Amino acid sequence: KAGVTQTPRYLIKTRGQQVTLSCSPISGHRSVSWYQQTPGQGLQFLFEYFSETQRNKGNFPGRFSGRQFSNSRSEMNVSTLELGDSALYLCASSPLGRLAEQFFGPGTRLTVL
Amino acid sequence: GDSVTQMEGPVTLSEEAFLTINCTYTATGYPSLFWYVQYPGEGLQLLLKATKADDKGSNKGFEATYRKETTSFHLEKGSVQVSDSAVYFCALTDNNAGNMLTFGGGTRLMVKP
Repeated sequence: KAGVTQTPRYLIKTRGQQVTLSCSPISGHRSVSWYQQTPGQGLQFLFEYFSETQRNKGNFPGRFSGRQFSNSRSEMNVSTLELGDSALYLCASSPLGRLAEQFFGPGTRLTVL
Repeated sequence: GDSVTQMEGPVTLSEEAFLTINCTYTATGYPSLFWYVQYPGEGLQLLLKATKADDKGSNKGFEATYRKETTSFHLEKGSVQVSDSAVYFCALTDNNAGNMLTFGGGTRLMVKP
């Protein structure tokens, strides 16, 4: 079974731009979560989607948004990029009924210049 | 809110040495506890988990016991290998919070031959 895939793997943007990251979960997984990983703040939860609905949201500004499609694929969008948004963005998928046993993708490395 | 504290690294050991990485948590409810491992350039992999007090999670020679009285979930391995070099993250989820994971800051382990 293929693992969680994230595209693109690397991205360079400039301040003020916006970016969209994509995540394809493991086949059959309906929950997708997003995390931001930085050296200073560590791993922080952004949001979780389940059956196209946002189920949980972390403490991030409204510039961070996401959505999930009917095939469980998910995207996250960051608008008006700031230097501090430079991070590794990790997506994780989880099968129905298995509380928080999440499978992580390799991440998208975003650099904001 | 919930939080996880783990010992800062890096932890440097010789091959076949005994490993302990300390992890303590604060949670209002009855969380499930996890250890994740991140190898260079990769996403996180679930190493082991425990869902209730006194449970012991184990995998690949690693063990951790859920201690409610000391709010701890220390990771141990009797004999480390060079291939165990990675960053280890302790995490919890509140069983009422869906799939939202709260992570500790991570501990880098370096094993020398």
